[in-house]
Amino acid sequence: QVQLVESGGGVVQPGGSLRLSCAASGFTFSNHGMHWVRQAPGKGLEWVAFIGHDGSNKYYADSVKGRFTISRDNSKNTLFLQMISLRAEDTAVYYCAKDRRSYHDSSGHYYVLDHWGQGTLVTVSS
Amino acid sequence: DIQMTQSPSSLSASVGDRVTITCRASQSISSYLNWYQQKAGKAPKLLIYATSSLQSGVPSRFSGSGSGTDFTLTITSLQPEDSATYYCQQSYSISPITFGHGTRLEI
Repeated sequence: QVQLVESGGGVVQPGGSLRLSCAASGFTFSNHGMHWVRQAPGKGLEWVAFIGHDGSNKYYADSVKGRFTISRDNSKNTLFLQMISLRAEDTAVYYCAKDRRSYHDSSGHYYVLDHWGQGTLVTVSS
Repeated sequence: DIQMTQSPSSLSASVGDRVTITCRASQSISSYLNWYQQKAGKAPKLLIYATSSLQSGVPSRFSGSGSGTDFTLTITSLQPEDSATYYCQQSYSISPITFGHGTRLEI
């Protein structure tokens, strides 16, 4: 079955950096786009970033553009989120999520998040 | 950005009831609308994609409808385990993907 396991969260000071990882298993990782979504304490879901199956396409929320970088290593079935210049408002649980559509599929919608990890908490505080 | 507006923000219902949650997009998104369920302390779970397609393993008491800008999630024969927050999400535009603010359902 599909498994997504995030790691790398923790407490960091404002202006600091952190790198999140998401280890994927149970599906052909290199066939699917991947997302990061975050949820601030007590708040709703906020999409953060997307990367295409081969890493060639990347999209970001305006709130993180220029500070966060999404990447992937298909040889290791791992997704990453490099975060720099962290702010208090970046405090959240960060989820990685799999895009439902495989690049092999001839039809179907992209950007449907069909499996999610358990999340990793990032706290930005002095 | 495409804004997603959900209503109500919260509701209370009883076991066996039927409830409807509404999601409105700020522009037409065709059928590019998905619904997620999030239970307290857990990750979100995909319920319905492309407006009305039931994700594998999701009970048939969940259904979705709509098109363009107005969409609904309907849950019939409510069960205690349906207590959760429900989010809609548009997948029409990647820049950016947007979620509704959520509807908290108390059983």
